[in-house]
Amino acid sequence: KQEVTQIPAALSVPEGENLVLNCSFTDSAIYNLQWFRQDPGKGLTSLLLIQSSQREQTSGRLNASLDKSSGRSTLYIAASQPGDSATYLCAVSRFQAGTALIFGKGTTLSVSS
Amino acid sequence: GAGVSQSPRYKVAKRGQDVALRCDPISGHVSLFWYQQALGQGPEFLTYFQNEAQLDKSGLPSDRFFAERPEGSVSTLKIQRTQQEDSAVYLCASRGRGDYYGYTFGSGTRLTVV
Repeated sequence: KQEVTQIPAALSVPEGENLVLNCSFTDSAIYNLQWFRQDPGKGLTSLLLIQSSQREQTSGRLNASLDKSSGRSTLYIAASQPGDSATYLCAVSRFQAGTALIFGKGTTLSVSS
Repeated sequence: GAGVSQSPRYKVAKRGQDVALRCDPISGHVSLFWYQQALGQGPEFLTYFQNEAQLDKSGLPSDRFFAERPEGSVSTLKIQRTQQEDSAVYLCASRGRGDYYGYTFGSGTRLTVV
């Protein structure tokens, strides 16, 4: 059974710091991996999607990497801002396309000004 | 519409009451998913539709939970005889054709059973 773990569970940093969020998964037979952001009381906003054949994706100050063989992904946030404060969720899709996402419990990030 | 729309945003139900939660996916999206998110947890899969066909309902926690998508667009998640443990945020997501596109989530319905 696929399990997704996110470390740390919570992180507090001062504005301007670069930071890394970690995600690990137990079964390397994934179709893709997606990072989401969730603001309190809100739904999920997709940040980056990495197909299993890709190694990384970048969007602005965000960079996500994927090492499928070791079952790991990282989300790198450069020059953090208070507006980055949210919960970041990692999710993997099972091998077959169109099937369910399996989520980690998330990392709650707080960026202080 | 431009995004996935869910209604109501908030629902308070008395224990034992039936509730119906609605999801309007992005127009033309074939795949539709329902997830349940308990406080402090990641979303957990409930059920999946491809068009009007419910292809996977393995995540539904009990036979009190029922979902439908009769015309392959709008979906309704129904919970009968609600219990306190049903209190959670219920998220709907849709996905377009093709392997490249990820999932688009709605804002969710927060259900509180009192």
